[in-house]
Amino acid sequence: ILNVEQSPQSLHVQEGDSTNFTCSFPSSNFYALHWYRWETAKSPEALFVMTLNGDEKKKGRISATLNTKEGYSYLYIKGSQPEDSATYLCAHSDNRLAFGKGNQVVVIP
Amino acid sequence: EAEVAQSPRYKITEKSQAVAFWCDPISGHATLYWYRQILGQGPELLVQFQDESVVDDSQLPKDRFSAERLKGVDSTLKIQPAELGDSAMYLCASSGGTGMVTEAFFGQGTRLTVV
Repeated sequence: ILNVEQSPQSLHVQEGDSTNFTCSFPSSNFYALHWYRWETAKSPEALFVMTLNGDEKKKGRISATLNTKEGYSYLYIKGSQPEDSATYLCAHSDNRLAFGKGNQVVVIP
Repeated sequence: EAEVAQSPRYKITEKSQAVAFWCDPISGHATLYWYRQILGQGPELLVQFQDESVVDDSQLPKDRFSAERLKGVDSTLKIQPAELGDSAMYLCASSGGTGMVTEAFFGQGTRLTVV
């Protein structure tokens, strides 16, 4: 069983502020680290898939980094906007895709 | 744009009744997943198919849950009999890779309420 831990579980962010949260995963048998955004009443949507130690990915104001040796990934949101309110899911994969509990983000206007 | 189709979107059933969910993955995707998401938790893998074969059902409560993907395309997840604790969102996802997991695409899910 792949243990994926995400912290903090939930956070409230003032509009315009930047924030980040953490995903930790077993560093052995690593293949890929996925980030998904899950908005209420929608399907989880893939943000990033990262495979190499040191990978950094960016999509608009959201970016992610990967450290496979120590088993963690950070997701950053720069200048948070209300539309960023969602649950951000991290998943670790080898031949299975195992999710953490998610980081629930609420951006306060 | 291709997407994963799930039905029904919502289902209310009484305890001890049978219930079934259907998933049609993106065309050509060999890998299909069924996840259960209980409120406040992340998605939990119930079963993973590679084509028509089950590759992982270690977390599937086999006394009441069953899943099939007979022709390696669409899939059905069944619960019989349903229990109150089965109330959850049931998500289906598919990916095009074989072996190591590439990006997975999710359907909108079926919200099950057992009363």
